[in-house]
Order: sequence, then structure tokens, then C-alpha cells
Amino acid sequence: DTEVTQTPKHLVMGMTNKKSLKCEQHMGHRAMYWYKQKAKKPPELMFVYSYEKLSINESVPSRFSPECPNSSLLNLHLHALQPEDSALYLCASSQDPGQQYQPQHFGDGTRLSIL
Amino acid sequence: KNQVEQSPQSLIILEGKNCTLQCNYTVSPFSNLRWYKQDTGRGPVSLTIMTFSENTKSNGRYTATLDADTKQSSLHITASQLSDSASYICVVSSGVTGGGNKLTFGTGTQLKVEL
Repeated sequence: DTEVTQTPKHLVMGMTNKKSLKCEQHMGHRAMYWYKQKAKKPPELMFVYSYEKLSINESVPSRFSPECPNSSLLNLHLHALQPEDSALYLCASSQDPGQQYQPQHFGDGTRLSIL
Repeated sequence: KNQVEQSPQSLIILEGKNCTLQCNYTVSPFSNLRWYKQDTGRGPVSLTIMTFSENTKSNGRYTATLDADTKQSSLHITASQLSDSASYICVVSSGVTGGGNKLTFGTGTQLKVEL
């Protein structure tokens, strides 16, 4: 079982809906990441949180809004999404944002479909 | 532009056979190279992490090599099992920038192990 838990596993929403994706880890990791992965493509970095502060935003549209309420939780708030936003959204964490050689631990993702 | 290229794109082998997957990268600066295994519908799982000074690293039946001079890496799988069927992703880290590791993902090699 993965140590990074993502909920829900699947989400279907309309373009006018507001929903949130949730990610949780209890490994004491202080760096957390959101990735977007389209079918048969590698993950694309969206956001990085370092010590609960947003440190990297890869020019993601404002209809995606990340939030890190505490060191164990990472949310991704969704509003007015487009059909092309349908993808697997992966959350990951790593122990120390300042360390280069640590693996990222990934959750199993939320499969998002926009109608 | 940082790039990671993998070959072959897909591979089918018989159970018990060995195989080698290739990765070429043009990433600067270079910090470390990682191999991940991603099962269908799951998040990636870290197999190995190598710095520029490491030539080889093993994890069970998985052995990764790195030639930092030619910017090539390989992942060798010994005595393949059905459970090895997955996508294998080569990932290069540029180190820590702005908090958190900045990773460049390859497009993966889809491996299928058959009876």
C-alpha cells in the first residue's frame, strides 16, 4: 500500500462544478507536489510546497488552486475546469525540500473526468 | 531544453528472461537520475536513485547503470516475472530549485512480461 493517500480515486465533474482533491501523508515529509498525467505520457509538475509554503507554480491556470493546510495535507481545489483537464492527478511527497537525493513517494492518483 | 528519452517505447518478453531498458538525457544542471516503476492505474514507485559518481545500483532483480560522461543510463531486469509488467520511467533531477526537487521525466518504456 502506498504511504501517500489520495481521495477520491475517481471524480467526474461538470465544467461549472467546484470540487477538491485531497492528499495526505504521515511520513513527516515537508515537500509535497501535485502532478498531472495524461494517458501514456509522463507526469507534469504543477505545484511544489516546501514547509507548507508554495514554492513552485509551473504556470498552472488559476482554475487549479492548491492549498497546504498543514504539513500532512495537500489539497487541489478545482473550479470551471475544461475537458482537456481530464487526467490522472498525482500527489507526491519527499522528506526534506533541501535534499536532492531523496525519492518522491507518489500516491495512486485521482482519475478526473470533466464532462 | 531539458529532455529525457527512453527506448524502446514498448517491449514484450517471456517470463524468466532478462531485459535492458535505455535512457538518454540532456538535463542541466544534473543532480541525480532515478528509475521509477508505474503499474497501470497506480502512482510511480521509486526503484533506484544514482548520483553522477555512482556507476551502478541494484534493487533486487533491478540493476541500474549510469554513465555521466555519455549521459546514458540503463535498467536491467533479471529473471523477469509477470508482476514486472509496467511502465518504467527514467527521471533526471536538476537538484533543488525554489524548494523541492525539479524532475524531468522520460516518456517511459512499457514492458509486458508474458508466459
